[in-house]
Amino acid sequence: GAVVSQHPSRVICKSGTSVKIECRSLDFQATTMFWYRQFPKQSLMLMATSNEGSKATYEQGVEKDKFLINHASLTLSTLTVTSAHPEDSSFYICSATQDRRNGYTFGSGTRLTVV
Amino acid sequence: GENVEQHPSTLSVQEGDSAVIKCTYSDSASNYFPWYKQELGKRPQLIIDIRSNVGEKKDQRIAVTLNKTAKHFSLHITETQPEDSAVYFCAASSGNNRLAFGKGNQVVVIP
Repeated sequence: GAVVSQHPSRVICKSGTSVKIECRSLDFQATTMFWYRQFPKQSLMLMATSNEGSKATYEQGVEKDKFLINHASLTLSTLTVTSAHPEDSSFYICSATQDRRNGYTFGSGTRLTVV
Repeated sequence: GENVEQHPSTLSVQEGDSAVIKCTYSDSASNYFPWYKQELGKRPQLIIDIRSNVGEKKDQRIAVTLNKTAKHFSLHITETQPEDSAVYFCAASSGNNRLAFGKGNQVVVIP
């Protein structure tokens, strides 16, 4: 089945630094990738949708200059949290789809802690 | 955009009993409805999905029903087991590929 790899699984960074999270589709070409944030005991909140080769579409309230998304190839999307603050600490999960007939596949998530 | 409501937020069932989780959606154009199971700290796992041209789908102990007129769909788990304990999310998607998630339901199966 479809596999999505996400790295790193855990990261601790200092306030003010930037962190990059990678999401790779291993055995299919992901035309669309999604980035979610999940706070403890809450649902997955869509942050942005990215299509290969074009700019990401951000959800209302998500700062595009703070959460930089790059989808340079059909198998790789990256999320960079810039100038991280403790309130950015969360579980970030990507998901990828080739087309809806094949469904959506989630990465394993990244636990970000900003100290 | 799509708004998905999920009830109840917490459900406790005795092992062997059935569990039912209901979701409603707002966008009549939505036509894909997956259910995910998420264990603590792990990725959501697709357990079953249904498309709008089908009213019911079953996979062993898991079933999903869809009522397009009322815009609601339900997850049914029969003969629950302790390993069914997790958070379950419903979601809905229309033609724009975006998935809107419900708030999740904590299912606790009591041995």
